[in-house]
Formats: sequence, C-alpha cells, structure tokens
Amino acid sequence: QSVLTQPPSASGTPGQRVTISCSGSSSNIGSNTVNWYQQLPGTAPKLLIYSNNQRPSGVPDRFSGSKSGTSASLAISGLQSEDEADYYCAAWDDSLNGSWVFGGGTKLTVL
Amino acid sequence: QLQLQESGPGLVKPSETLSLTCTVSGGSISSSSYYWGWIRQPPGKGLEWIGSIYYSGSTYYNPSLKSRVTISVDTSKNQFSLKLSSVTAADTAVYYCARFSGTLDYWGQGTLVTVSS
Repeated sequence: QSVLTQPPSASGTPGQRVTISCSGSSSNIGSNTVNWYQQLPGTAPKLLIYSNNQRPSGVPDRFSGSKSGTSASLAISGLQSEDEADYYCAAWDDSLNGSWVFGGGTKLTVL
Repeated sequence: QLQLQESGPGLVKPSETLSLTCTVSGGSISSSSYYWGWIRQPPGKGLEWIGSIYYSGSTYYNPSLKSRVTISVDTSKNQFSLKLSSVTAADTAVYYCARFSGTLDYWGQGTLVTVSS
C-alpha cells in the first residue's frame, strides 16, 4: 500500500492529452513539492518533473505538472507512442523522522 | 556527466545480509548540496525508498526497514554502501542508488538482487 495514491492505469490515443493524478496528505504533498518520474520498460526511472511543475533540461514541454492542496497531476499533451511507460509521483513526507514516499505507479498505454 | 553504478552479489541466501555499493563518477560525493541513497523495486511492483546519507555520515532511513538497514559512505573512494540484514524473499528487488537534491535527479541503472537458498 503506497503512501501516495495513483490510478493503476491510464490510456490515450496518439495526439491526445492525458492526465495522471497523485493524491497524498498534509504531511507530504500538502507541505512539500512533488516530483514525477517516467520508467520505460527495463530501465531506471527518469526525472520528468520536479518542484511540482519544473522540467529538467531535455524533457519536452508536452509534459507538465501541477499541484493543489494535497493532490498533484501530471499532464501529457500530444501523446506519442514512446510515452508508453510507468509514471510515478514522489514527495518528501514530514511524518516520523521524514522519508521519501512514492505513488504506486500508473501504467500509461498508448492505444 | 554524473554517473552512478551499483555493484554487489546478485544472489543472497535467506537470513543473510545483502551488501551493495554505489560508485559515483563525474562528480564528488562530498558536495554539500546532495544526499545519496537507495531505492528498491520488487519485480512488477512500485518504488520504495530505503534510506539516504550525507557525505558527513548523517542518515535517514525508511521507518519500515530501519531496524535492518545500514547505509555508509566512503568519500575517499567516492562510494556509498547499503547493508540490509536478515533478508527474506520479500527483499528480492532491483536496487537503485540515486542522488537526492530536493528530488532524485540521478539514478544508477539498478541491480537485481534475488533472495533464495
């Protein structure tokens, strides 16, 4: 059971816009920034979005992030076949002595 | 370009201690801006943070694993290490090392560790 809640799956057709949600609590998303990772099959996760809505160099502007209260979202516009991957949200959690927490991951299928 | 590389046995027997090392190249592990740490991913499952360490040696551990985990750093070798004791089949996973800078921005390629007799 992951601390952050994501839908297990999402899908879209090429060119569509899809969103993936991430729900947390006041001790994690509510008080810290959210990061998103893309994991292609058989590879390590790659940082996609940091500080809620910032893209590292090299990440296309088709990917965007937002946060409101204790929830966050990743949006992918102009969906492409190479976007088919697992997506994870992550945030620091202030409870106990502090820890990094992840969502359970969302498998994105491009139909 | 910063690179991280995990190394260690791919097979560990139940009740024994899992030991992995992460070698950092292209940057110094002694940078004051970063923590370094470990994340794992059981086959077909999601990501779990194990713990993090600062170059000075201060550590943060996942509360659910804290009693079994030790993370250490060797600045002279630009390496940090993970020890997980009393392993069971539930500890079978791909283990990643990563840099923490307010986010996990650099990851190693990961190494599969199987716990089996």
